[in-house]
Amino acid sequence: EVELVESGGGLVQPGGSLRLSCAASGFTLSTFEMYWVRQAPGKGLEWVSHIHYSGTPIYYADSVKGRFTISRDDAKNSLYLQMNSLRVEDTAVYYCARDLGWHDAFAVWGQGTMVSVSS
Amino acid sequence: IVMTQFPATLSVSPGERVTLSCRASQSVDSNLAWYQQKPGQAPRLLMYGASTRATGIPDRFSASGSGTVFTLTISSLQSEDFAVYYCQQYNIWPPLTFGGGTKVEIK
Repeated sequence: EVELVESGGGLVQPGGSLRLSCAASGFTLSTFEMYWVRQAPGKGLEWVSHIHYSGTPIYYADSVKGRFTISRDDAKNSLYLQMNSLRVEDTAVYYCARDLGWHDAFAVWGQGTMVSVSS
Repeated sequence: IVMTQFPATLSVSPGERVTLSCRASQSVDSNLAWYQQKPGQAPRLLMYGASTRATGIPDRFSASGSGTVFTLTISSLQSEDFAVYYCQQYNIWPPLTFGGGTKVEIK
């Protein structure tokens, strides 16, 4: 069964850091485009970052560029999001997602992990 | 590319036909997806390529459009269809962009 499981969320103070993980099963993560998408409480969906199946290119939303870093560990079949200099407005549920393989639509989603940035 | 969905909320009775709209600020060809999200759950892919149902999606869901105007239709609304629906373009990116969502609620 194809599955994505996120972890690593929590409560952090403004300016702090967190590292989110996304463990993939049922498929080889390095053969698909992978993404992070977030959703602030009561709000819509916002794309955060993307990593090509080859490892490059990597893209970020302007709102996180220079603060967030997406990476992948093929041996662990896992995706990561290192989040530094966190802001209150980064508070959201963070989802990892996988594309279809032939369309850049998000075909597989994790259950999400909550990140709360507050003093 | 800015994606605009309307209406923001639809009040519908079970069994009714529902049409949701999505408009792009510039052409996205047919590179558009629709998602369904229920409270406390991750979004689920319904449609891609503007009109192709994803795996396991019932045929009461259909979608059409290309360029800048798109629609998602639910032919006969079931109780499990009450949710928020998002459109998303993947034609010109980054950034990948979503519409603000349409909430389909029980009338």
